[in-house]
Amino acid sequence: AQSVTQPDIHITVSEGASLELRCNYSYGATPYLFWYVQSPGQGLQLLLKYFSGDTLVQGIKGFEAEFKRSQSSFNLRKPSVHWSDAAEYFCAVYGNKLVFGAGTILRVKS
Amino acid sequence: DGGITQSPKYLFRKEGQNVTLSCEQNLNHDAMYWYRQDPGQGLRLIYYSQIVNDFQKGDIAEGYSVSREKKESFPLTVTSAQKNPTAFYLCASSGSTGTQANEKLFFGSGTQLSVL
Repeated sequence: AQSVTQPDIHITVSEGASLELRCNYSYGATPYLFWYVQSPGQGLQLLLKYFSGDTLVQGIKGFEAEFKRSQSSFNLRKPSVHWSDAAEYFCAVYGNKLVFGAGTILRVKS
Repeated sequence: DGGITQSPKYLFRKEGQNVTLSCEQNLNHDAMYWYRQDPGQGLRLIYYSQIVNDFQKGDIAEGYSVSREKKESFPLTVTSAQKNPTAFYLCASSGSTGTQANEKLFFGSGTQLSVL
């Protein structure tokens, strides 16, 4: 069975600073990997996904993520954070079903 | 505009009462899903349906029931058997059947259910 770990419950960054949100997964083969973003009281929006091929994936809103098989990681990055990026971010993995991580709440300070 | 509509946005349940959460989509998607979201636990799958008149239990189906009489509608009933129903409930749909991987999920804006 697959699982997803997002080690950071909360992260605070200054506006304009770079961001990295961590995601580690457990699955016997190469899974499909996703990052979703959720604003308070709203549903989830897909930021990006990795199925195969280039391990650096570009998404919407200037986000990217890198799949590292050796580390079983799929960390989300953004070079310069904007105040509107404050939200909760979920990593998800699909092996034989879709499993979500517990989420990381991003706070942006001005 | 196409999308998923969940209603109501807020719902209160009394002890021993069944309540039904509505989910409607006009995306012509075959697959629909119900997730429960609790703080610090991410999303957990309750039920899903890949085709009309068919649905499958997810990871936490106990205390819940669903129906799929129409392609565009997938209501979720929280029964009195669900002893801890307070949570944020999210409905989602996708255009692909048989997998949640090949098509991205489109989410509704959720229903917050609380117990009185």
